Amino acid sequence: GAVVSQHPSRVICKSGTSVKIECRSLDFQATTMFWYRQFPKQSLMLMATSNEGSKATYEQGVEKDKFLINHASLTLSTLTVTSAHPEDSSFYICSARRRGSSSNTEAFFGQGTRLTVV
Amino acid sequence: SQQGEEDPQALSIQEGENATMNCSYKTSINNLQWYRQNSGRGLVHLILIRSNEREKHSGRLRVTLDTSKKSSSLLITASRAADTASYFCATDPDKLIFGTGTRLQVFP
Repeated sequence: GAVVSQHPSRVICKSGTSVKIECRSLDFQATTMFWYRQFPKQSLMLMATSNEGSKATYEQGVEKDKFLINHASLTLSTLTVTSAHPEDSSFYICSARRRGSSSNTEAFFGQGTRLTVV
Repeated sequence: SQQGEEDPQALSIQEGENATMNCSYKTSINNLQWYRQNSGRGLVHLILIRSNEREKHSGRLRVTLDTSKKSSSLLITASRAADTASYFCATDPDKLIFGTGTRLQVFP
C-alpha cells in the first residue's frame, strides 16, 4: 500500500511559538491532501483540504491565519500552527489520495502528530 | 462537520465473539468507507462499499450498506485481542468526513 509519512510524531512547544508539521506521500503523488484534528477519544474533524499549487480550502470555523497550509509539491503538504496556545494542543493527522484517483478510492493516512503547547 | 454517527460508542467483548458496529449518515453518498485507528496512531483503511452494493466481505470483516436507511454496519467475526481499536465510518468522498467512531475492546 501507499505510504504517507508525517513528521514530527510528537512536539512540545512554548505558547506563542509556531510549529510546522510535514506530510509526505513517499511512493505516490497526491494532488490533494487533507488535514484533520482529533481530540482525545473523539473523531477526526476535517480542518482543511490542501491542493497542490493552490490555496487550501478551510472548513467552517477553522482560522486560516492560525493554521497555515502549504502544498508546494505533489508529495508534500505542511501545516503550520502559528502563535500556538495550549488550546491548540491536539492530535493532527494528514491524509492523501493518489493523483488521478477517483473519490471511490481509499485515503492513506500519516501516523499523526501529537502537539502539546505549554 | 461530522457526516456520520456510530453506535455503540464503546463495545467490550471477549476474544472469539463477533463485534458489530453501526454507522448512520445524513446525505447521499457515492461510497462509504470503514477505517481503523489504533490508539494514538493514524488510520488504516479497512473496506470500501459503493452505494450500489449491499454487502461486502474482506477476511473476517463484513460490511453492509442500506442507502434507504442511510446506514451501514461493520461486523468483525471471531474477534481477536489485536482487533482492539477505534473504528470509524467515512463518507463524502471528496473530503472524507468521519463518523463519531466506536471504541472496541477485545479481552483475551
